Amino acid sequence: DTEVTQTPKHLVMGMTNKKSLKCEQHMGHRAMYWYKQKAKKPPELMFVYSYEKLSINESVPSRFSPECPNSSLLNLHLHALQPEDSALYLCASSPRAQGNQPQHFGDGTRLSIL
Amino acid sequence: GENVEQHPSTLSVQEGDSAVIKCTYSDSASNYFPWYKQELGKGPQLIIDIRSNVGEKKDQRIAVTLNKTAKHFSLHITETQPEDSAVYFCAASPPGGGNKLTFGTGTQLKVEL
Repeated sequence: DTEVTQTPKHLVMGMTNKKSLKCEQHMGHRAMYWYKQKAKKPPELMFVYSYEKLSINESVPSRFSPECPNSSLLNLHLHALQPEDSALYLCASSPRAQGNQPQHFGDGTRLSIL
Repeated sequence: GENVEQHPSTLSVQEGDSAVIKCTYSDSASNYFPWYKQELGKGPQLIIDIRSNVGEKKDQRIAVTLNKTAKHFSLHITETQPEDSAVYFCAASPPGGGNKLTFGTGTQLKVEL
């Protein structure tokens, strides 16, 4: 069982909807990440949070809005998404965001945009 | 930036045989190389990693080798079992902030009975 928990597992939404993805870890990690993964492709980094502060945004469109309320939680707020945003969204965590720390992934949220 | 190439894209072996997956990287400053296994419907699972001050690392049936001069690293799985069937991703990470990983394109491993 993964120690990074993501909810919901599946989400279907229309292009005008607003929804949020949630991620939780209780390993005491201080770095958390959002990735996007399309079918048969590797994960692509979207955002990195270090000590609850956004440290990297990989030029992600503003319709994706991350939030880190505390060291255990990471949210991804979604608004006005496009069909091409349909993908598996993965959360990961690591002890820190420096020094090449091992990243541990959740099982993701499979998002479908109608 | 870093670029990681991974081969083969698909690999089919008989149960009990060995499997080898190879990756090359471009940035000589990269110093951390994890391997992930992703089963259908799951997230990537870290199975082994190696840092650039080590040439080889083993964990039961899994081993990783690193050749810094040639800038390539390989995953070796011995005595393969059907439950080893999955997609395997290599990755490389340079030093510095962000702990960013550059992934290879993945290898679909199928272990046949």
